[in-house]
Amino acid sequence: AQKITQTQPGMFVQEKEAVTLDCTYDTSDQSYGLFWYKQPSSGEMIFLIYQGSYDEQNATEGRYSLNFQKARKSANLVISASQLGDSAMYFCAMREGGKVDGNEKLTFGTGTRLTIIP
Amino acid sequence: EADIYQTPRYLVIGTGKKITLECSQTMGHDKMYWYQQDPGMELHLIHYSYGVNSTEKGDLSSESTVSRIRTEHFPLTLESARPSHTSQYLCASQGNNYGYTFGSGTRLTVV
Repeated sequence: AQKITQTQPGMFVQEKEAVTLDCTYDTSDQSYGLFWYKQPSSGEMIFLIYQGSYDEQNATEGRYSLNFQKARKSANLVISASQLGDSAMYFCAMREGGKVDGNEKLTFGTGTRLTIIP
Repeated sequence: EADIYQTPRYLVIGTGKKITLECSQTMGHDKMYWYQQDPGMELHLIHYSYGVNSTEKGDLSSESTVSRIRTEHFPLTLESARPSHTSQYLCASQGNNYGYTFGSGTRLTVV
C-alpha cells in the first residue's frame, strides 16, 4: 500500500481563489510528521509547511495551511488567495517514527501539478 | 541563502564519460540523501547516508555510487554515463526537526 497518496495529478485554479491539494497517508506509528514541498519549473524543492502528529492545531505559514484530520489520515494543503507564482508541483511527504537516530527518511507522494489561471 | 549546494546546475555529457555530482551542506547535518527525478514526476531515493563512512542504497536501483568522507560533502558518481541516466538529481540533508533541506538540483543530460 502507498504510504502517501496524492490523488490529483493536476489542478487548474483561477487566480485569487483558494485551492486544496489532497494528501492521505498510511502509518501505524503514533509519532510521525507530515510535510509539504513546492517544486517550481526551475526544479528546486521548497519547504512549505510541517505538521507533527501530536500537534493539536493545524499548521499555518502565511497563505499556506495544513488541514490535518488525524482520524481520516489526511493532511491536505490549503493555499488561500492563489497567485500566478503558485503554479508548480506540490509534494506531500511523511516522516515516520520519533527517534533521532532511527530511520527517518521522508516518503514522498507522486505530486500534484497546480496551474493558476489568470 | 542556500545552506546546501549542488554543482553543476546543468550538465550535458557524452555516453561513457565518468561524472561526479557534487553536494555540500554547511548545516552540520549527519543525514543526507540523493533523489532521482524525471521532469514532473515523483522522487526516487537512490542513496542515503547517516554520517561519515555510512552509505546505503535507496529504494530505486541505481548504477551510481556515493561516498561520505566528510560530514558536509556527499558526492554522487557515475562511472560510465548512459542516456538512461538523463534526469534531475536532487541532494537533501535532514536536520533535527526531520525536514529536508534540498539543493537546487543537477539536471543531467547524457547524449
